[in-house]
Amino acid sequence: DGGITQSPKYLFRKEGQNVTLSCEQNLNHDAMYWYRQDPGQGLRLIYYSQIVNDFQKGDIAEGYSVSREKKESFPLTVTSAQKNPTAFYLCASSIYQDQPQHFGDGTRLSIL
Amino acid sequence: SQQGEEDPQALSIQEGENATMNCSYKTSINNLQWYRQNSGRGLVHLILIRSNEREKHSGRLRVTLDTSKKSSSLLITASRAADTASYFCAGGAGSYQLTFGKGTKLSVIP
Repeated sequence: DGGITQSPKYLFRKEGQNVTLSCEQNLNHDAMYWYRQDPGQGLRLIYYSQIVNDFQKGDIAEGYSVSREKKESFPLTVTSAQKNPTAFYLCASSIYQDQPQHFGDGTRLSIL
Repeated sequence: SQQGEEDPQALSIQEGENATMNCSYKTSINNLQWYRQNSGRGLVHLILIRSNEREKHSGRLRVTLDTSKKSSSLLITASRAADTASYFCAGGAGSYQLTFGKGTKLSVIP
């Protein structure tokens, strides 16, 4: 079945540590996205990528980094510069702009 | 990016009743999309309505769009307990950025 796989489902970060969240899709979509969701809140865009080797900052990119070396993969690194990283992180993909986005089941990141 | 704001924030109904959720946005859009999120899961796309459409149906879902008022509504008919979820709207306007509101949390009581 085609879809988006995020791993791990739960992740714990120590102070000063960088952590990387994995996102893989087999939908052959060009565009991929990372969102952050806080309790009772909507989704805020962190980064998006229109195509391989290209990505753009979203509304809350500070403290995060991404790469897009393969069409299928769009990992997100939460760096130690992100002082409040506890949240639910969602990865998504779409064929093109304005088109429906397909989401993974998220990674919940907490601080130890 | 296009702002989506849902109303009400929470809605509780009995199974079998209809549920109506509203969405307002601030700038011009090409389309308006509705998504559902079950607790602890990712979002699932429900329906997309284009700016030149006024109403669209999909199964028990009915979406309306009023571009003059910059608003949309999602109606779920004959609700079921499985419809319990949060519902989000998002406007597409020629960019890769969709802005999601805080959603409407729907509880359907068996």
